[in-house]
Amino acid sequence: EAGVTQFPSHSVIEKGQTVTLRCDPISGHDNLYWYRRVMGKEIKFLLHFVKESKQDESGMPNNRFLAERTGGTYSTLKVQPAELEDSGVYFCASSPLATTGNTEAFFGQGTRLTVV
Amino acid sequence: AQSVAQPEDQVNVAEGNPLTVKCTYSVSGNPYLFWYVQYPNRGLQFLLKYITGDNLVKGSYGFEAEFNKSQTSFHLKKPSALVSDSALYFCAVRGGSYIPTFGRGTSLIVHP
Repeated sequence: EAGVTQFPSHSVIEKGQTVTLRCDPISGHDNLYWYRRVMGKEIKFLLHFVKESKQDESGMPNNRFLAERTGGTYSTLKVQPAELEDSGVYFCASSPLATTGNTEAFFGQGTRLTVV
Repeated sequence: AQSVAQPEDQVNVAEGNPLTVKCTYSVSGNPYLFWYVQYPNRGLQFLLKYITGDNLVKGSYGFEAEFNKSQTSFHLKKPSALVSDSALYFCAVRGGSYIPTFGRGTSLIVHP
């Protein structure tokens, strides 16, 4: 069974450009999360989808970030326009829908974004 | 609000020696606690979790963690470290929210 896959693995863009990150969760996982880790800092929550609906987007830093999850399958995270402080590793994770919090999430390998 | 503290940026240990990676947490209600590991150029891999029951939890690759409610800690341990255990380790907690909160990570370096 395929795990969580993210594309691209690396992206280097100039300040002001647009970048779109993609995440394909494990098939059947209704929960999809986006996280970001800036070098040396904690992994910070960005947002949470349940199927195609945004359940919690309290971690999105500003309106330059737009996440979508078409049909409750894959998800995209667009940064437009990118700023230097957006650099970091963006992780996607998925988990089955559960009524309790005891299910671990499965992570992708991350996309390393560098804005120059 | 829930939070996780990993007080050590880096832990150094000699191969064959026991290792401990520390984690303390703050959460409302009963905590669900997790440890993940990230090897170079890889995603986070789940190691183990505490939900309820026995305070000593065993996980992958010979790792275990001890839940201590009074000290609000969930330290990761292994009796005998391997060079291949060198990686970045993240502790996470989940309380009433379904969103896990992660620590900043601890780099474990095992010397031959």
